Amino acid sequence: EAGVVQSPRYKIIEKKQPVAFWCNPISGHNTLYWYRQNLGQGPELLIRYENEEAVDDSQLPKDRFSAERLKGVDSTLKIQPAELGDSAVYLCASSSSRPQGWLTDTQYFGPGTRLTVL
Amino acid sequence: SQQGEEDPQALSIQEGENATMNCSYKTSINNLQWYRQNSGRGLVHLILIRSNEREKHSGRLRVTLDTSKKSSSLLITASRAADTASYFCATRSGGGADGLTFGKGTHLIIQP
Repeated sequence: EAGVVQSPRYKIIEKKQPVAFWCNPISGHNTLYWYRQNLGQGPELLIRYENEEAVDDSQLPKDRFSAERLKGVDSTLKIQPAELGDSAVYLCASSSSRPQGWLTDTQYFGPGTRLTVL
Repeated sequence: SQQGEEDPQALSIQEGENATMNCSYKTSINNLQWYRQNSGRGLVHLILIRSNEREKHSGRLRVTLDTSKKSSSLLITASRAADTASYFCATRSGGGADGLTFGKGTHLIIQP
């Protein structure tokens, strides 16, 4: 079974430029998460999707960040315009809500996109 | 915001020794999970312990949970070089598919 796929793996841009990250979750996983991980820190949740609906976007900086999950499968996270402080690793994760006991609590993470803003 | 705080921030031990990492959190939880992150494999789920459980084992891993102290510990026995990684505790306050709240992590180095 393929894991969570993210692209690109690395991105270097200048400040004020736009950038987008793409995520393909594990097949059949209806819940998708975007996290941001700053250097030396743990991941922090940005947004959670249940199918195509954003059910928790309270931590998403909405002035410059946007996300979408059309058709409830792939997702795109966008930053426009990027700022120096946005340099981080952006992680996508997915999980299944099927009743499998503890398995529903396990999130599977992609390799992340490392963003450097110059 | 970070929920958990891992302790120590960094740990270096000899191969074959046991490694213990601690995690403290602030609010009530539904469950607590431990993840490992290294450059080769990204963030990988290791073990989950629910709020009504006190101890759980999985292979060389042993996790304890003390909800009265809002703390957990992860023990890795008979460490191997491949265990070198950062270890994060993550909590979930509600049931279902809520997002996880991670700590800052413990960086573990296993010396050959």
